[in-house]
Amino acid sequence: EAGVAQSPRYKIIEKRQSVAFWCNPISGHATLYWYQQILGQGPKLLIQFQNNGVVDDSQLPKDRFSAERLKGVDSTLKIQPAKLEDSAVYLCASRNTGTDTYEQYFGPGTRLTVT
Amino acid sequence: RKEVEQDPGPFNVPEGATVAFNCTYSNSASQSFFWYRQDCRKEPKLLMSVYSSGNEDGRFTAQLNRASQYISLLIRDSKLSDSATYLCVVMNTGFQKLVFGTGTRLLVSP
Repeated sequence: EAGVAQSPRYKIIEKRQSVAFWCNPISGHATLYWYQQILGQGPKLLIQFQNNGVVDDSQLPKDRFSAERLKGVDSTLKIQPAKLEDSAVYLCASRNTGTDTYEQYFGPGTRLTVT
Repeated sequence: RKEVEQDPGPFNVPEGATVAFNCTYSNSASQSFFWYRQDCRKEPKLLMSVYSSGNEDGRFTAQLNRASQYISLLIRDSKLSDSATYLCVVMNTGFQKLVFGTGTRLLVSP
């Protein structure tokens, strides 16, 4: 079974530029998450989708971050404009809500550096 | 106060040692608990769920004390391959949102 795919793996941009990250979850997983992991910290949830609907975006900085999952499969997270403090690893995860397990499967992440 | 608190370490132990990590959480309504493992520059992966009765998986034992809002992970007979960051994770009610601690780094040396 293929895992969660993310691209790009690395991105370096200057502050005030825009950037987009892509995620393709495990096939059949209805729930998709985007996390931000700053160096030395645990992942912090940014947004959770159930199919193509937003379930929780309470920690998403909506003035600069946006995310969509239009067809309920893959998802895009955008930052516009980026700030220095956005430097982090952006992790996508998915979960099969049809089972009893709450396990989330993470992708390899996109490492963003804002200069 | 952080919702999930862990000692960041690092814990430096020799091979074969027993090491224990502790974690406290602040939301008494939290419903499920986990330990995830994260290798350097890799994604987190589920190590084990934590049940009130305590549970064991090989060399790993997890315990939960709901009254004290305290979770622990015990690793016996440490291996070099156990070197990683161990993330304490709590799932809250509602949207089944996972809240991660900052992680405890373990270094096992020969």
